[in-house]
Amino acid sequence: DGGITQSPKYLFRKEGQNVTLSCEQNLNHDAMYWYRQDPGQGLRLIYYSQIVNDFQKGDIAEGYSVSREKKESFPLTVTSAQKNPTAFYLCASSTRGAQETQYFGPGTRLLVL
Amino acid sequence: GENVEQHPSTLSVQEGDSAVIKCTYSDSASNYFPWYKQELGKRPQLIIDIRSNVGEKKDQRIAVTLNKTAKHFSLHITETQPEDSAVYFCAASIGVNDMRFGAGTRLTVKP
Repeated sequence: DGGITQSPKYLFRKEGQNVTLSCEQNLNHDAMYWYRQDPGQGLRLIYYSQIVNDFQKGDIAEGYSVSREKKESFPLTVTSAQKNPTAFYLCASSTRGAQETQYFGPGTRLLVL
Repeated sequence: GENVEQHPSTLSVQEGDSAVIKCTYSDSASNYFPWYKQELGKRPQLIIDIRSNVGEKKDQRIAVTLNKTAKHFSLHITETQPEDSAVYFCAASIGVNDMRFGAGTRLTVKP
């Protein structure tokens, strides 16, 4: 778990603003994921990436964008099109795909001002 | 779409008792089933997992059972302790790239 980090821990977004959440891993994992967690609910997949320069939409990709320019990094941008962004965002990585253990970062809590 | 149902949503037990959490899944091709424990405000951490070629797996006080025919799997915690209090999530792999999570069970162990 210590090999996957997220920053910042808390992030405040103003109306109409884009914000970017950082996710870095030094586990040499190929696959990386972004999940959204709302209070009292499970994890919902936003985007995932199996390899550098390739990523796929999850169930709730609208209003979000990602990039995967380096194996170690998978930043998530919450755009102004996401009308209800307040949530706990978790990044995860695994050696390959979903049939391997996913290790989670500590999370970023996004709040709207 | 593919779904993972988890029950109960909340569970309260007395210290020393056992706790059981159950999950069902819909994709017959699912073959990897992890369980995560999440303490308040923290990251989910893997506590045990099972693959489809195994019916049961145990690690000290924690065990997981899998019934592929019925498409359900369960987490069993014996001799519960207050530090077991947390939210527990089950998950099931969907194809190669996707993982679906249950909605979570909030377990409270009363001293």
